[in-house]
Amino acid sequence: AQSVTQLGSHVSVSEGALVLLRCNYSSSVPPYLFWYVQYPNQGLQLLLKYTTGATLVKGINGFEAEFKKSETSFHLTKPSAHMSDAAEYCCAVSDRSNYQLIWGAGTKLIIKP
Amino acid sequence: DGGITQSPKYLFRKEGQNVTLSCEQNLNHDAMYWYRQDPGQGLRLIYYSQIVNDFQKGDIAEGYSVSREKKESFPLTVTSAQKNPTAFYLCASSMGLQETQYFGPGTRLLVL
Repeated sequence: AQSVTQLGSHVSVSEGALVLLRCNYSSSVPPYLFWYVQYPNQGLQLLLKYTTGATLVKGINGFEAEFKKSETSFHLTKPSAHMSDAAEYCCAVSDRSNYQLIWGAGTKLIIKP
Repeated sequence: DGGITQSPKYLFRKEGQNVTLSCEQNLNHDAMYWYRQDPGQGLRLIYYSQIVNDFQKGDIAEGYSVSREKKESFPLTVTSAQKNPTAFYLCASSMGLQETQYFGPGTRLLVL
């Protein structure tokens, strides 16, 4: 069965530093890939997604992610962290032949002043 | 202004009681979903509906029920059979099952 692993339940970075949130999936066939952001006690908002084409995907709020088939990864990055980036980030994958999203456990991003 | 609304924001359930969580969307989406979120775990799918008057069980449907009588509405009932209902419940919708899902603000259910 498909699975998604997000390394680190909590990641702490200083304001202005690089943000790197890791996501690996288990499928041998490239799936659709998603990153969502969740602010406290709120629903999820789509940051970016990969379906086909260019493997470097740009999203909202300066985030981007790169699909690497050889590493079965879809890590999320942002060059310079801002205090407003503090939130939970959730990675999800969807098999191309199946509707269902499989979710990682989420990573809480903490921004230090 | 299009979107997904969920009510109430907080809901309290007594032992043996059924409670219903509301989810409404005005995005004209065909597909709707219910997820449960617990601390330290990924979202888990409870039920989904591809079209009006049709719905399917997800991974953790036991103790829950749904209806889809209108395109805009997909209420979730947490029955007394659900022994551990305390969680954050998220509703989502999409144009079709393969399309991007958009989420409501969630309902937090607590047991008294």
